[in-house]
Amino acid sequence: KNQVEQSPQSLIILEGKNCTLQCNYTVSPFSNLRWYKQDTGRGPVSLTIMTFSENTKSNGRYTATLDADTKQSSLHITASQLSDSASYICVVSDRGSTLGRLYFGRGTQLTVWP
Amino acid sequence: EADIYQTPRYLVIGTGKKITLECSQTMGHDKMYWYQQDPGMELHLIHYSYGVNSTEKGDLSSESTVSRIRTEHFPLTLESARPSHTSQYLCASSDGTGKEDTQYFGPGTRLTVL
Repeated sequence: KNQVEQSPQSLIILEGKNCTLQCNYTVSPFSNLRWYKQDTGRGPVSLTIMTFSENTKSNGRYTATLDADTKQSSLHITASQLSDSASYICVVSDRGSTLGRLYFGRGTQLTVWP
Repeated sequence: EADIYQTPRYLVIGTGKKITLECSQTMGHDKMYWYQQDPGMELHLIHYSYGVNSTEKGDLSSESTVSRIRTEHFPLTLESARPSHTSQYLCASSDGTGKEDTQYFGPGTRLTVL
């Protein structure tokens, strides 16, 4: 069964600290993996996208890694800011159809305290 | 910031009412999607469209219906709302080209049925 599991479910850190969020998936065949940021009451916004051949991708203070062999990805946030408080969603796309079906994780709810 | 809009942002209605959730995008994207998301849960695809006059049901069974008469417009209708329809509804669009085919999400409509 194609699944995307994220951990931790929630995380609280102090402003300025770093954190790492985890994503494990069983989706096959694999096309790409995205990390989205979803602010409360808003739609998700794409942060990074990685294909099979990419190991790491950065977007400002966000750095995503991908290990396609172990089917794991991580999102590292450096020098956190209050505005980083949001849900971070891991999304994996397969190549099984023309739609390129997306499998969503439940997200990690990150709270940054001052 | 993606040019995809949803109205209303919040809606509270009584059981049995007919409602239409509006979604429009100005990016000229062919593909459009409707997702349903409950708090703390993953997004579930309920409808999608490849273009004008094309609509398909998604992975999660839904009593809602959609139409795609114009490229930019993808409304979702519930003929008779029930409390079980209470959820957040997210609309998205993508240009459908390339392996990435990133989906851009609207801000969502939070529906409460009393």
